[in-house]
Amino acid sequence: DTAVSQTPKYLVTQMGNDKSIKCEQNLGHDTMYWYKQDSKKFLKIMFSYNNKELIINETVPNRFSPKSPDKAHLNLHINSLELGDSAVYFCASSQKIAGASEQFFGPGTRLTVL
Amino acid sequence: GQNIDQPTEMTATEGAIVQINCTYQTSGFNGLFWYQQHAGEAPTFLSYNVLDGLEEKGRFSSFLSRSKGYSYLLLKELQMKDSASYLCAVRFRNSGNTPLVFGKGTRLSVIA
Repeated sequence: DTAVSQTPKYLVTQMGNDKSIKCEQNLGHDTMYWYKQDSKKFLKIMFSYNNKELIINETVPNRFSPKSPDKAHLNLHINSLELGDSAVYFCASSQKIAGASEQFFGPGTRLTVL
Repeated sequence: GQNIDQPTEMTATEGAIVQINCTYQTSGFNGLFWYQQHAGEAPTFLSYNVLDGLEEKGRFSSFLSRSKGYSYLLLKELQMKDSASYLCAVRFRNSGNTPLVFGKGTRLSVIA
């Protein structure tokens, strides 16, 4: 059973294109996240949703738009892709956003922008 | 602000003990996590500390001193499979929303 799944695993695309990454969790968690891990392996929070509502939006260009159709899904749409968007994007979920709730990460989506 | 520091790389011998340090400065503190990340894989949870002291879990232990803004992860009886990056992450308070801020990770190489 996959707890947090993401598709696609790899994404190679041209600059200027629009792409989406999908994420689903079957853990019954209330909170979901998107992280970006760059080439230096620095893992940085982008967004967090709690029960389908956006609660954290770090300094991310507005070309990135998360969408949560229900609390088990959090998709990430990226418009007008740029070279600097190349990274591994991780989806994660946790029971709550506070306290000892550990985060469970998806396998990651490696995005390469040419 | 939130500033988390940990060594970039460490090397240790199979069977030995290694301690990975993490220091942080935050405007608030609401818990510290350690995650393990093997190359090309997702981070996986190792430990959580919110009160001062040592939390032990098998070969792994994590220590926290809130007054010093300091934590360490202790790995005993090192195995080759422990070669990975170890990420320190701090949850800080921010108007009720408490995102996790990750350090840059410590890449541990276990050698024979």
